[in-house]
Amino acid sequence: QPQLQESGPGLVKPSETLSLTCSVSGGSISSSSYYWGWIRQPPGKGLEWIGNIYYSGSAYYNSSLKSRATISVDTSKNQFSLKLSSVTAADAAVYYCARLSRSSTVTQRGAFDIWGQGTKVTVSS
Amino acid sequence: DIQMTQSPSTLSASIGDRVTITCRASQSITSWLAWYQQKPGKAPNLLISKASSLESGVPSRFSGSGSGTEFTLTISSLQPDDSATYYCQQYNTYWTFGQGTKVEIK
Repeated sequence: QPQLQESGPGLVKPSETLSLTCSVSGGSISSSSYYWGWIRQPPGKGLEWIGNIYYSGSAYYNSSLKSRATISVDTSKNQFSLKLSSVTAADAAVYYCARLSRSSTVTQRGAFDIWGQGTKVTVSS
Repeated sequence: DIQMTQSPSTLSASIGDRVTITCRASQSITSWLAWYQQKPGKAPNLLISKASSLESGVPSRFSGSGSGTEFTLTISSLQPDDSATYYCQQYNTYWTFGQGTKVEIK
């Protein structure tokens, strides 16, 4: 069973850029069967999808983030990363990385079947 | 954007009760729907995909049904370990979660 682990600063200043990395172990990030995603959960609230990336670099984003999010992949390190620019207090959340298992090889549709444990990010000066 | 609405927001039931959670999509998502269980301080766990396909290792008391815009998650006999928040998620067009349903044990 593959494992995912988030890493990055737990504290980010307002207006700065949040940077997180997800390391994948026990499986290859370059598999055609999967996309890789970021989801966040503000304190006491529900889940919000941020975006997904394929090992080729093809990415999809939640339009509500207004182009502040960028997801990249490093197949040599078996990692993918999230950058979120111009953060505010509203971006404080637990950030999860997750594996999206494609329903078939002709679609990006799929559910998130393996999740990291999550990393808490606080936005404060 | 597709909106997902769950009901109820909270429910309280006794051990052994049959529990049903409803999820409605703002437009048809055919069967592209997943259900997750989340316990406090933990990551969500995928229970059901494609509306009714039970994931490996998930107890058979969980089941999902529906298509189009209306879906249900049913727990046939509520167990103490089922106390959690449940989320539906559509993946027909991008990915959107419902607001969650907290299940409490009486």
